[in-house]
Amino acid sequence: DAMVIQNPRYQVTQFGKPVTLSCSQTLNHNVMYWYQQKSSQAPKLLFHYYDKDFNNEADTPDNFQSRRPNTSFCFLDIRSPGLGDAAMYLCATSREGGSGANVLTFGAGSRLTVL
Amino acid sequence: GQNIDQPTEMTATEGAIVQINCTYQTSGFNGLFWYQQHAGEAPTFLSYNVLDGLEEKGRFSSFLSRSKGYSYLLLKELQMKDSASYLCAVLDSNYQLIWGAGTKLIIKP
Repeated sequence: DAMVIQNPRYQVTQFGKPVTLSCSQTLNHNVMYWYQQKSSQAPKLLFHYYDKDFNNEADTPDNFQSRRPNTSFCFLDIRSPGLGDAAMYLCATSREGGSGANVLTFGAGSRLTVL
Repeated sequence: GQNIDQPTEMTATEGAIVQINCTYQTSGFNGLFWYQQHAGEAPTFLSYNVLDGLEEKGRFSSFLSRSKGYSYLLLKELQMKDSASYLCAVLDSNYQLIWGAGTKLIIKP
């Protein structure tokens, strides 16, 4: 089945120790997103890519970086995690144009704990 | 600023009907989405409205009034598995998704 896969599902790190979260998709969608979601809050968009064009949200801290080496893969790097970065990180994809455009398909999420 | 308002929490009884409201103030409008999110899981797409009126999909229906900046999600014949958060999101004029904080729906037997 076509899907969005995130790894790892659960990540525990120490304060300041870098973390990389990965996302892969088999939907061949050209748009990929990284969201941060804290408990009982709306998902907060960190970045998105239209193909290889990178779009950084204005309020995304510099501590967060992203890479998209090809259509299928996207990575979220947290350079120096703080306690406030503990959250669920959601990867999503969508495509532009046509039927079903702009509908997000989410991965299962990566839950980050910072000790 | 842009804003999506929905109730924080609602409680309903198994087998009953519940209506979850969403009001929005956004810079332009290119459609409204409803997503379902079970605790600890990712959101899944439920419905999309871009024109006024009611869209029915099985037990779930979604209504939109663009002039009032208002939508609702109607869930019929509630089942225990419907216990989840329901997120309203609006696509603004720049095709950016503005999310509500979600409504936690608790279903009681």
